[in-house]
Amino acid sequence: NAGVTQTPKFQVLKTGQSMTLQCAQDMNHNSMYWYRQDPGMGLRLIYYSASEGTTDKGEVPNGYNVSRLNKREFSLRLESAAPSQTSVYFCASSEGLTDTQYFGPGTRLTVL
Amino acid sequence: AQSVTQLDSQVPVFEEAPVELRCNYSSSVSVYLFWYVQYPNQGLQLLLKYLSGSTLVKGINGFEAEFNKSQTSFHLRKPSVHISDTAEYFCAVSEGKNSGYSTLTFGKGTMLLVSP
Repeated sequence: NAGVTQTPKFQVLKTGQSMTLQCAQDMNHNSMYWYRQDPGMGLRLIYYSASEGTTDKGEVPNGYNVSRLNKREFSLRLESAAPSQTSVYFCASSEGLTDTQYFGPGTRLTVL
Repeated sequence: AQSVTQLDSQVPVFEEAPVELRCNYSSSVSVYLFWYVQYPNQGLQLLLKYLSGSTLVKGINGFEAEFNKSQTSFHLRKPSVHISDTAEYFCAVSEGKNSGYSTLTFGKGTMLLVSP
């Protein structure tokens, strides 16, 4: 099992450019999440999808959009990248309410 | 709203010494508590979790944590650390929801530095 996979691993963008971060899980989980990790800030939830067909805002949704393409895939889009979006982005998935969240390896994004 | 405080940003310790990483939370409802570990340049992985029942929870790699409801704490302990335990440790809390999903609130992390 691959678990949670993310692409790309690294990305450098210029201010104003757009891009989509891809995430897929092969554990048949219902829920998927996008987090960003910044030094000294822990992980902050950007968006999540409780189940296929639903998405909700997390703590820091501004500047991002998401798509739950199917049960396996959950993408994160930056429409117009800003330097403040320089971060490491993690995707995670879980089965249900009390279940463990499984994390992908992360995408390191730099916006110049 | 739930929140998590990890009281130490960095904990240096010598190999084979005991360690305690502190975590306090605030929530108005019943909670589920987690500790995750992040090794350099990797994603997070679960160390242990408290859902209900015994307040002493054992996890992987010899770690354990104790849920103390009166002190709203969930401190992580290991009696003897190894160099390989050097990593960042995150405490997280989840409140019960009715619609079948959970959102985690993470603390800011504690970097455990084990030296020989």
